[in-house]
Amino acid sequence: DIQMTQSPSSLSASVGDRVTITCRTSRTINTYLNWYQHKPGKAPKLLIYSASNLQSGVPPRFGGSGSGTDFTLTINSLQPEDFATYYCQQSYGTPWTFGQGTKVGIK
Amino acid sequence: QVQLQESGPGLVKPSETLSLTCAVSGGSINSYSWSWIRQPPGKGLEWIGYIYYSGTTHYNPSLESRVTISVDTSKTEFSLKLSSVTAADTAVYYCAREVPLSDIDTFDIWGQGTMVTVSS
Repeated sequence: DIQMTQSPSSLSASVGDRVTITCRTSRTINTYLNWYQHKPGKAPKLLIYSASNLQSGVPPRFGGSGSGTDFTLTINSLQPEDFATYYCQQSYGTPWTFGQGTKVGIK
Repeated sequence: QVQLQESGPGLVKPSETLSLTCAVSGGSINSYSWSWIRQPPGKGLEWIGYIYYSGTTHYNPSLESRVTISVDTSKTEFSLKLSSVTAADTAVYYCAREVPLSDIDTFDIWGQGTMVTVSS
């Protein structure tokens, strides 16, 4: 299985901050990497697919980059509705695997 | 707009079979793949497996011996059965639609999840 390591596991930030979350994979996956946002009691939401493509309807303050084994999710100008847990997920090979999540909390 | 809704018992006894259904509304089930994903309390997400609308399945090897996913296109729903459950199977179970975007498989629509507790 491809192992996914996210960092940090949690962070505290203020509205307006720029937030960066990283995801590292145990082997190269080209750009077969997706990012999701998850709020308690809600359905997870696809934010970014293929490492850097913004899903339809997602605000442009969200951005993704990377290829190979190292990937980044950036949130520019954090908004109140962005406080949530973020997961990376690889689609390079089954079984599909997820990072352990990064919880973005209010400072 | 396609929506997914999980349903099933919230409590299952050890050694019994967990059974969940995902109802697909607002769109057709006759395309794409349909997955089950779970999240044990305090842990990360684990992909369980998917079924293609034609009936082809693919399971996580870690669960393959205990998992069956089926689809009923006439009812626009798909189902999960997990046999011989233990406390380790306690989790929130999500159903999700799996679609290729830029040739990358993604989970673009999810249900809200249903909590299943394994306990006597």
